[in-house]
Amino acid sequence: AQKITQTQPGMFVQEKEAVTLDCTYDTSDPSYGLFWYKQPSSGEMIFLIYQGSYDQQNATEGRYSLNFQKARKSANLVISASQLGDSAMYFCAMREAGANTDKLIFGTGTRLQVFP
Amino acid sequence: DAGITQSPRYKITETGRQVTLMCHQTWSHSYMFWYRQDLGHGLRLIYYSAAADITDKGEVPDGYVVSRSKTENFPLTLESATRSQTSVYFCASFPTAMNTEAFFGQGTRLTVV
Repeated sequence: AQKITQTQPGMFVQEKEAVTLDCTYDTSDPSYGLFWYKQPSSGEMIFLIYQGSYDQQNATEGRYSLNFQKARKSANLVISASQLGDSAMYFCAMREAGANTDKLIFGTGTRLQVFP
Repeated sequence: DAGITQSPRYKITETGRQVTLMCHQTWSHSYMFWYRQDLGHGLRLIYYSAAADITDKGEVPDGYVVSRSKTENFPLTLESATRSQTSVYFCASFPTAMNTEAFFGQGTRLTVV
């Protein structure tokens, strides 16, 4: 069963506008972490932001914020004031604390294109 | 250099050959992971490891073998490569603390002909 779902294969946004990338997750574990990564065309994985399952406030990192709605099991990434350099693939990921080991699983990603 | 490194960066191999992708990290992170990235599938987990000599299957383990005799190394072996294993492979690691991000290698682009 898919545990991380990103329903937007592609998104377009105009420069300087805000954009929201959707992510929903499924877990029965009370302790988990949610991450967003950016992958530019060069291929490297760049960590953007983290939200813990027990965190009361939404995480923010510069122009990135995470809209965490625990009851709905959603962890949407909001990018404010988009820049051309934000054009990339964006992946949502969840770290689950398993019985013997933690694992990190990813969604299928959203390709964001920022236009002037 | 500190970090996580994968080798080789690019590899072309023939169907049926055995090939090993190497992953080395310098932080002594407990957890290590192998993913494959294919268009439309995102990153799919192949195998992961919580410590030396502890490994578990991920979503797509068939055709792959891993070992972890030392904390810093986590090689991935394709026992008999098939064209469907043509992909970009990423190795990653993270420490025990939940609120720490995973660190990724640069990726290995493997082509099976």
